[in-house]
Amino acid sequence: QQQVKQSPQSLIVQKGGISIINCAYENTAFDYFPWYQQFPGKGPALLIAIRPDVSEKKEGRFTISFNKSAKQFSLHIMDSQPGDSATYFCAARARYNQGGKLIFGQGTELSVKP
Amino acid sequence: DTEVTQTPKHLVMGMTNKKSLKCEQHMGHRAMYWYKQKAKKPPELMFVYSYEKLSINESVPSRFSPECPNSSLLNLHLHALQPEDSALYLCASSQGLAGGFYNEQFFGPGTRLTVL
Repeated sequence: QQQVKQSPQSLIVQKGGISIINCAYENTAFDYFPWYQQFPGKGPALLIAIRPDVSEKKEGRFTISFNKSAKQFSLHIMDSQPGDSATYFCAARARYNQGGKLIFGQGTELSVKP
Repeated sequence: DTEVTQTPKHLVMGMTNKKSLKCEQHMGHRAMYWYKQKAKKPPELMFVYSYEKLSINESVPSRFSPECPNSSLLNLHLHALQPEDSALYLCASSQGLAGGFYNEQFFGPGTRLTVL
């Protein structure tokens, strides 16, 4: 129940296309869902995050869509660019988890071809 | 300043060596974390400090010893490591531990550790 399942494992998209990464969870106590972007040899960087009382959040070319009833959320990258090529991790955290522990998905390696 | 810094960037050590990793943040955050990340895997939580006190130890072997000398600094002392401990060690910080948006975790660039 603590898992976050992420798909696909890898994704190849043409420049200008839409990249879509999906995550699913079981624990209804999760109330914070961030996405991290990680370039090779670097630490993960917080990209965008959403609460479950919001169905969509957009920041520039990045959008999170959230479906509370289905317990799924996804990251959409519009007009994908080669510079977006990185590994993306979804994560979740429970409201009353005093450890601040993030539960990460397994990651998606995105490659945007020019 | 929203930066978490880590030193060194790279570290190679033998199985009998003792070394330390250092992490620093000046965002006034009161929670700090150590993670271990293997290639093509998500970060795995090792330790959490809150207000300079160890809050969580995720059953990490005693050859890893964390220390939080003050609210801005976090160390990870390494002794008698095994080759399988080779990984990227990440430090992160957040304002606090409770859930919610205001406790976003910010990661440092990591230390790439190789154990020979």
